[in-house]
Amino acid sequence: QQQVKQSPQSLIVQKGGISIINCAYENTAFDYFPWYQQFPGKGPALLIAIRPDVSEKKEGRFTISFNKSAKQFSLHIMDSQPGDSATYFCAAYIQTGANNLFFGTGTRLTVIP
Amino acid sequence: GAVVSQHPSWVICKSGTSVKIECRSLDFQATTMFWYRQFPKQSLMLMATSNEGSKATYEQGVEKDKFLINHASLTLSTLTVTSAHPEDSSFYICSAPWGGINQPQHFGDGTRLSIL
Repeated sequence: QQQVKQSPQSLIVQKGGISIINCAYENTAFDYFPWYQQFPGKGPALLIAIRPDVSEKKEGRFTISFNKSAKQFSLHIMDSQPGDSATYFCAAYIQTGANNLFFGTGTRLTVIP
Repeated sequence: GAVVSQHPSWVICKSGTSVKIECRSLDFQATTMFWYRQFPKQSLMLMATSNEGSKATYEQGVEKDKFLINHASLTLSTLTVTSAHPEDSSFYICSAPWGGINQPQHFGDGTRLSIL
């Protein structure tokens, strides 16, 4: 059973546009939600993370929006650039638990010039 | 810069060979590390949790005799794929929580394993 559902599977955005990736979860015990960026042949790199007591977190061009009641969160990439082309994974875990990360299925983002 | 180092980055070997992959935490101690497997265009699948000074915890369906994990020190965990076969070919990635056990995991750059 997929603990974290992610959509879309792939996304093509024009340079300068906004990329939006959505995730949903079921387990209300999750209390930390990181996003990872992965380039081909590399491991995932931590991009930005949020706790459920915060509705939004922004770091540069990357923003997480969090809706606790709907159990949904999303990543917004403003002013998308070709260098942002990568696979993005949302994840969730329980900080006081075994620290097992539950990953979404990934979104392959392509930003075209 | 990188906080988790993984070596080697690429291995090609014959069927039946055992392959060891190292995962090191750089400038921090990690009592727990995690090993993942990733197939092309798929998400990461947790294989096992490596615990310093004790046995690893394996996820359901992962053969512990096939994938030997040793966490000999606070900065090093190793994954040995024993008697590897072509179906073991995959991208193996380790991670460790940086800044404390409850902090987000940081990943190594992965090891591409190809078994001929």
